[in-house]
Amino acid sequence: EVQLVESGGGLVQPGGSLRLSCAASGFTFSSYWMSWVRQAPGKGLEWVANIKQDGSEKYYVDSVKGRFTISRDNAKNSLYLQMNSLRAEDTAVYYCARLMMATINFDYWGQGTLVTVSS
Amino acid sequence: QSALTQPPSASGSPGQSVTISCTGTSSDVGGYNYVSWYQQHPGKAPKLMIYEVSKRPSGVPDRFSGSKSGNTASLTVSGLQAEDEADYYCSSYAGSNNPYVVFGGGTKLTVL
Repeated sequence: EVQLVESGGGLVQPGGSLRLSCAASGFTFSSYWMSWVRQAPGKGLEWVANIKQDGSEKYYVDSVKGRFTISRDNAKNSLYLQMNSLRAEDTAVYYCARLMMATINFDYWGQGTLVTVSS
Repeated sequence: QSALTQPPSASGSPGQSVTISCTGTSSDVGGYNYVSWYQQHPGKAPKLMIYEVSKRPSGVPDRFSGSKSGNTASLTVSGLQAEDEADYYCSSYAGSNNPYVVFGGGTKLTVL
């Protein structure tokens, strides 16, 4: 059974940093692109970042470029999102999702971790 | 403001059919057959219901179907059941430009 479990969310002040983690199991993690997708409270979904199987390609939504870094450790079956210079508008539930690159869809999602940016 | 436009709400009685629209542009919905639909119950993670416009993942009931015409995609839920009450989001590949994938604002489906 495919499982994605996020952790690392919490309350952080504007300008602060946070590192999210996603532990994957039930599939060959190193064979898949992975993504982060976020959802602000009461709002819709927003794609944040993608990373290729070997980490050689990374893509970000414009609003987080230069502030967020997606990475992965295939030996640990883990995906990460380092978030720096956090802003109030980054407040959201962050989901880890498996990206099916051939069909451009997210076929498995974690339960999400809440990041709140507030003073 | 979301990149794809969905009606904020839709409703139907048990057993009826309801269709949710998702309107984009020729740069996303109209330009690629990579439209997906996700179901999200309150407090839960999204679940993939439709991909590549009209394909259903294993385990998704055939009551759910998808289609596309021009820049508008649609999700139809037939034979509505109480458990279908949820938020539904469409998404589309947006090409090599940023953002990579765009989502709709979501539609709250109410089973009356």
